[in-house]
Amino acid sequence: QVQLVESGGGVVQPGRSLRLSCAASGFTFNSYAMYWVRQAPGKGLEWVAVISYDGSNEFYADSVKGRFTISRDNSKNTVYLQMNSLSAEATAMYYCARDQGWLQVRWYIDLWGRGTLVTVAS
Amino acid sequence: QSALSQPRSVSGSPGQSVTISCTGPSSDGGGYNYVSWYQQHPGKAPKLIIFNVSERPSGVPDRFSGSKSANTASLTISGLQTEDEADYYCCSYAGSNGVVFGGGTKLTVL
Repeated sequence: QVQLVESGGGVVQPGRSLRLSCAASGFTFNSYAMYWVRQAPGKGLEWVAVISYDGSNEFYADSVKGRFTISRDNSKNTVYLQMNSLSAEATAMYYCARDQGWLQVRWYIDLWGRGTLVTVAS
Repeated sequence: QSALSQPRSVSGSPGQSVTISCTGPSSDGGGYNYVSWYQQHPGKAPKLIIFNVSERPSGVPDRFSGSKSANTASLTISGLQTEDEADYYCCSYAGSNGVVFGGGTKLTVL
């Protein structure tokens, strides 16, 4: 079935790094752009990053630029989010999500994972 | 602070209609036509209910409709049902700023 399954969340100390993974199944992964979107506890949605279907282009929110890196391995149907120099403000549920467009970015998110929780605390 | 402004809450009774507004930048950089809306129930992942301002994905009831006038997009839910009680987020492509979400609106069905 069509799904996205995130993993890699947990409790991490401030200043440390964490890598999230998102395994896709049930669709042609290498034809879709992918997103990471986060949601702090009790707060709204915040776009984090997007990567094109072939990995040739990446875009980041200003709040994470220079510290977070999105990447993908189309041979493994997996997208990643490397998060460095973490601070408490990064505490959130991190959702992996798929763009609606086939071989193009349409800027609409039509498939979401269940999320993985990241807590930054000492 | 979100670049898309939504009311924090709206409410309505079963069977009624409610409209949630989403006000974008006053100067349209050309990206505020890529408007979508998401529904999120507590503890669940968001769900796409409107894309391209007014289109509905398959499976979304036609009680949900979207529109846009100038720099304000709107989501209208007609024939309110108890299961419509959720948070609703508007979203838009924001050019060099990537993607931006509204702050979210909590819909209460009285």
